[in-house]
Amino acid sequence: TQLLEQSPQFLSIQEGENLTVYCNSSSVFSSLQWYRQEPGEGPVLLVTVATGGEVKKLKRLTFQFGDARKDSSLHITAAQPGDTGLYLCAGWHSGTYKYIFGTGTRLKVLA
Amino acid sequence: ETGVTQTPRHLVMGMTNKKSLKCEQHLGHNAMYWYKQSAKKPLELMFVYNFKEQTENNSVPSRFSPECPNSSHLFLHLHTLQPEDSALYLCASSQVGPGTASSYEQYFGPGTRLTVT
Repeated sequence: TQLLEQSPQFLSIQEGENLTVYCNSSSVFSSLQWYRQEPGEGPVLLVTVATGGEVKKLKRLTFQFGDARKDSSLHITAAQPGDTGLYLCAGWHSGTYKYIFGTGTRLKVLA
Repeated sequence: ETGVTQTPRHLVMGMTNKKSLKCEQHLGHNAMYWYKQSAKKPLELMFVYNFKEQTENNSVPSRFSPECPNSSHLFLHLHTLQPEDSALYLCASSQVGPGTASSYEQYFGPGTRLTVT
């Protein structure tokens, strides 16, 4: 059983389209991080969301933390080929005292 | 450039070899981590070091042996590995502090792609 489930698992879209990636759990997290990983590289931190209902924007990327702090979403507007990569959510799970990563969403944006 | 470097970037080794992976962080962080990333599996945390002391070992086989001589350097010594150990090994660091969301933000190196033949 995965504590942080991401959906969709794979996504292939055309340049210019919008998309949303979801990160869901049955557990409450004090904060969640989002990372992007490009092929052959390590994950790069994008953002931390730490308050229920919080919305953060990073250029064309909008991150939201659920009111109950059990889920988060990442919305990309007008996707570009440079957005291609593996998107990971992660957070500290107080029940297991572990920092855990989500199952990942692999995004491919076609020119 | 995230401030975390790893060497080598690629490593091919036989099952009877002994090799070491090296990680160095230039961020002044107090915690360092080893992760394993295999195809079709979520990132798996292997070891955690806080202030040079190992605080977590996630049931990792003894053929993987970590070493943390100081807060900036982390090694992973490998011996008698199996083909299923082939994966991307990632090192990360963070600044752990009480009650702050940024404590959990991790900064990763580029990884070492390990192939065991």
